[in-house]
Amino acid sequence: LAKTTQPISMDSYEGQEVNITCSHNNIATNDYITWYQQFPSQGPRFIIQGYKTKVTNEVASLFIPADRKSSTLSLPRVSLSDTAVYYCLVGDIEDTGRRALTFGSGTRLQVQP
Amino acid sequence: NAGVTQTPKFRVLKTGQSMTLLCAQDMNHEYMYWYRQDPGMGLRLIHYSVGEGTTAKGEVPDGYNVSRLKKQNFLLGLESAAPSQTSVYFCASSPPPDRISYEQYFGPGTRLTVT
Repeated sequence: LAKTTQPISMDSYEGQEVNITCSHNNIATNDYITWYQQFPSQGPRFIIQGYKTKVTNEVASLFIPADRKSSTLSLPRVSLSDTAVYYCLVGDIEDTGRRALTFGSGTRLQVQP
Repeated sequence: NAGVTQTPKFRVLKTGQSMTLLCAQDMNHEYMYWYRQDPGMGLRLIHYSVGEGTTAKGEVPDGYNVSRLKKQNFLLGLESAAPSQTSVYFCASSPPPDRISYEQYFGPGTRLTVT
């Protein structure tokens, strides 16, 4: 299984850009990288997904270097409501063709006023 | 369109008791998953299913059983609950496997306490 490593926590202030990096050295050729956001007492919510280079949607950008051994989630101009835990997800294709999934340990982002 | 729903929302069990957690999705998704999340920790995959009638073990399957008799439902069973199974359980589903992606839709969770 591809293992992921993220910083345990980060602090920021409202209006700043926040970049969270995830390391995934054993990523497989066909794997996508997916990021989720989780608020207390709720299930995780999909934010963004990418395979290589850069992906942008209405809430975030995802930067993936050519070797794909890491990825960086970028949140522009964060607000207090962005305070949450952010998870990096990378999947494996097992020998049987089934999928196995590994969530990272998560990064707890605290946004201050 | 309710998305992913979980029943019950809360439950307290005594050691040795059994129970079944129900997950239902109305998005016609092929894949369904059960995770557990312990306090301050990330999610760990218990079991998953890639289609009706199929199940597979995840990272932490011991002490749990699952069944997928209908495409829209995925049941998680605890035959003999132990205090180590105190956790929040999340169910998720994902679209058909026509692309290599991991966009999952999560339910609200079931908070289980085993005393």
